[in-house]
Amino acid sequence: DQQVKQNSPSLSVQEGRISILNCDYTNSMFDYFLWYKKYPAEGPTFLISISSIKDKNEDGRFTVFLNKSAKHLSLHIVPSQPGDSAVYFCAASGRSGGYQKVTFGTGTKLQVIP
Amino acid sequence: KAGVTQTPRYLIKTRGQQVTLSCSPISGHRSVSWYQQTPGQGLQFLFEYFSETQRNKGNFPGRFSGRQFSNSRSEMNVSTLELGDSALYLCASSSKGATYEQYFGPGTRLTVT
Repeated sequence: DQQVKQNSPSLSVQEGRISILNCDYTNSMFDYFLWYKKYPAEGPTFLISISSIKDKNEDGRFTVFLNKSAKHLSLHIVPSQPGDSAVYFCAASGRSGGYQKVTFGTGTKLQVIP
Repeated sequence: KAGVTQTPRYLIKTRGQQVTLSCSPISGHRSVSWYQQTPGQGLQFLFEYFSETQRNKGNFPGRFSGRQFSNSRSEMNVSTLELGDSALYLCASSSKGATYEQYFGPGTRLTVT
């Protein structure tokens, strides 16, 4: 049961354009969402997060949007740069069984073409 | 601050053997979590330790176990290895807990033959 889904395994974008990565979740208990970036042979790196009480959070070129009614979040990268080429994971956390649990998506591989 | 370190980085084991992986978190971080990454499966949560106590566990068989020491260093053990255990095992540490911003190590690539 994949509670956090990234339906696009890969995405190609021209340098300078906007990259939009999508993530859907099924569990209403999730109340905190995060995006991580992963380069080959390295561990994931935290990018940006958003609480369920907000619908938008911005940090430089990265903006995360949350649509709670649709159970959907997206990461916008503007402008996209070749160094952004990596695998992006979304993660959702919420309380289950007395503890906060985090669930990761399967990742989207972003390629930014110079 | 030094980052999260994991040892060894690469490991080859035979089916049926056991293996122990080690993780040293960022200084001051009391939360250490372990993940398994396989192609197409994303990061699957194994367990989280906080101040030497396991406070959450994913849906993995009992062959997967872990512990945390008083200095927050953590070990993960897999007994009776199966071919399907071949994966990248990632450790992450956090000052707040696994559900907040985490810092990941480079991982241990385990190959079971």
